[in-house]
Amino acid sequence: DTGVSQDPRHKITKRGQNVTFRCDPISEHNRLYWYRQTLGQGPEFLTYFQNEAQLEKSRLLSDRFSAERPKGSFSTLEIQRTEQGDSAMYLCASSPWTSGDYEQYFGPGTRLTVT
Amino acid sequence: AQSVTQLDSHVSVSEGTPVLLRCNYSSSYSPSLFWYVQHPNKGLQLLLKYTSAATLVKGINGFEAEFKKSETSFHLTKPSAHMSDAAEYFCVVSQNTGFQKLVFGTGTRLLVSP
Repeated sequence: DTGVSQDPRHKITKRGQNVTFRCDPISEHNRLYWYRQTLGQGPEFLTYFQNEAQLEKSRLLSDRFSAERPKGSFSTLEIQRTEQGDSAMYLCASSPWTSGDYEQYFGPGTRLTVT
Repeated sequence: AQSVTQLDSHVSVSEGTPVLLRCNYSSSYSPSLFWYVQHPNKGLQLLLKYTSAATLVKGINGFEAEFKKSETSFHLTKPSAHMSDAAEYFCVVSQNTGFQKLVFGTGTRLLVSP
C-alpha cells in the first residue's frame, strides 16, 4: 500500500494558462474526494466521486474547474484560464466503501502558484 | 449546516508539558468529529475520530479527545508534548449528506519548544 499519490507536487503557471493535476487513490478505495486549502485555512471540499460517477460538486468549483475519474481509478482535476485566486494546495483523498464513518486518506497535495 | 470553530490559531508549549487544543462544533444532529494533523510537506493524517460511541476517544501518538455534547466541544489533549508533535491540527466535522463530506476548522498550529 503506497497511499494516495498526487502529481505534480508543485506547479507554477502564468495567469490564463490551463493546468491539470492527477490523483491516484489507494487501489481498493472506490470513493475519491478533492479539497482545496488556501494559506492559513483548513481544506475546503470541492468534489466527490463514487467509482467513476461525480456525485457532488461544491459551489467553489466554478465553470473553469472540471474533474474526472474515467475508470473509477485515478482522477484528474483541470483548471482552465487560471487566475491568481486559484493559488492554493489541492488535496486528494480516498476512502473505502463501508457503512458508517470511515477514514479519508489524504495525499500530499499539489501546490499551485499562479503568477 | 455543520461547522467547527478552533479557538486558538497558535498554541505554544514546552516539551513534556500538557497539550490542549480547543474545538467547538455546531451541528443540528449528532455529529461525527475528527482531529487531523498536518506536518509540513506531508499529507493530512487522522489522529482520532468520534462516531457516537465512547465519548472519550483515544488516538495515535498519545492524543485523546472528549466529546461533550452539553458544551458542544471536542478538545484535543495530550499529557506530555514531544518535539515531533509540532504541526498544524485540524478539528473536523462530517456532514452526512449521503457521503462523508468533511468540514474543516481553520487549524491550530502547535509549537513545541525544548
